[in-house]
Amino acid sequence: EADIYQTPRYLVIGTGKKITLECSQTMGHDKMYWYQQDPGMELHLIHYSYGVNSTEKGDLSSESTVSRIRTEHFPLTLESARPSHTSQYLCASRDRVRETQYFGPGTRLLVL
Amino acid sequence: AQKITQTQPGMFVQEKEAVTLDCTYDTSDPSYGLFWYKQPSSGEMIFLIYQGSYDQQNATEGRYSLNFQKARKSANLVISASQLGDSAMYFCAMRDIGGSQGNLIFGKGTKLSVKP
Repeated sequence: EADIYQTPRYLVIGTGKKITLECSQTMGHDKMYWYQQDPGMELHLIHYSYGVNSTEKGDLSSESTVSRIRTEHFPLTLESARPSHTSQYLCASRDRVRETQYFGPGTRLLVL
Repeated sequence: AQKITQTQPGMFVQEKEAVTLDCTYDTSDPSYGLFWYKQPSSGEMIFLIYQGSYDQQNATEGRYSLNFQKARKSANLVISASQLGDSAMYFCAMRDIGGSQGNLIFGKGTKLSVKP
């Protein structure tokens, strides 16, 4: 089992606000990921990181940004939230040995 | 391009019976990994089982087994003795081991409902 945490679990916020979704893992995994998932739909990769100071955009274009200053922490920021950002955001980290991604509980974001 | 196809949007199974969830994949890389995840209504993604493209035997994890047919490019998940708690979305995913990114690509998922 992996120890990966996301906060907040749920967030309702108004248009134009800046938000940061937190993701932390305690396993020392180098590789971390952010996915966006609309209800009942598949996951789409929006950002990934292979280690400290390494960040890349994923397959799905996103207005969000990420940072990786510490191995264990991979926050995602939206500078100005819009209703189109309403979705679930899932963070994952990858086990070095089994090459398996383990997910956090997710953040459900609603932008009014 | 890599692709995962799950053709069953929804499945029903009677409690205590076995069920098979279909997954086909497409890749030109000889080295890859296949995963199944479970997503309950609470939203978290739970890793179930992994199959490497070079693994000789089908993967098993408790009540979960993966029916891997490489020539047909299929990686079906078999759940034996279904329980009410198995009701969830199930996602098949693939990772290109040989690629530079090694990121996961997900199918659209299958919603499994277990009937008492």
